[in-house]
Amino acid sequence: DGGITQSPKYLFRKEGQNVTLSCEQNLNHDAMYWYRQDPGQGLRLIYYSQIVNDFQKGDIAEGYSVSREKKESFPLTVTSAQKNPTAFYLCASSIMVAGGYEQFFGPGTRLTVL
Amino acid sequence: DAKTTQPPSMDCAEGRAANLPCNHSTISGNEYVYWYRQIHSQGPQYIIHGLKNNETNEMASLIITEDRKSSTLILPHATLRDTAVYYCIVYTGNQFYFGTGTSLTVIP
Repeated sequence: DGGITQSPKYLFRKEGQNVTLSCEQNLNHDAMYWYRQDPGQGLRLIYYSQIVNDFQKGDIAEGYSVSREKKESFPLTVTSAQKNPTAFYLCASSIMVAGGYEQFFGPGTRLTVL
Repeated sequence: DAKTTQPPSMDCAEGRAANLPCNHSTISGNEYVYWYRQIHSQGPQYIIHGLKNNETNEMASLIITEDRKSSTLILPHATLRDTAVYYCIVYTGNQFYFGTGTSLTVIP
């Protein structure tokens, strides 16, 4: 089945540790995105990548880093510089459809920093 | 500044039409309006999108005002499974800007 995989679903880390969240897609989509969602809030863009080896900061990139070495993979590292990392993280990819783009989301990773 | 504004919550009786409004008064001429919904903190699911014209698919209809400053998502016959948070989104060409969403509760 084609889709976006995020692992693990739940992740716990101690404060001060870096942690990397996995995102893999087999949809052959060029563009990929990372969002953060806090309770009762909408999604906020952290980073996005429109092609391999290129990525752009979103609205809340501070304390995060990404890489895009392969088309199908877009891992997100939450560094110790991120002041409040506990959140729900969603990865997405997009493809051009008739009259625009459609964005597909993974199931998300819930990160808790203790 | 938020690109979209939505009411935080709405109720709808099962079997009736659910009309979810969205304001996007600063939208530019080439920016699309998208609607997604999210159930139980899963990944959001695509519903519909449009630029200027009204759109309809098997899930919903999208009505965009002539000045493009607002739109309405219509679920024609709401079911209990439609209970979710509905997000109105502006797509600028490289970013999708999510609002804070409307929590729709479909009541039996």
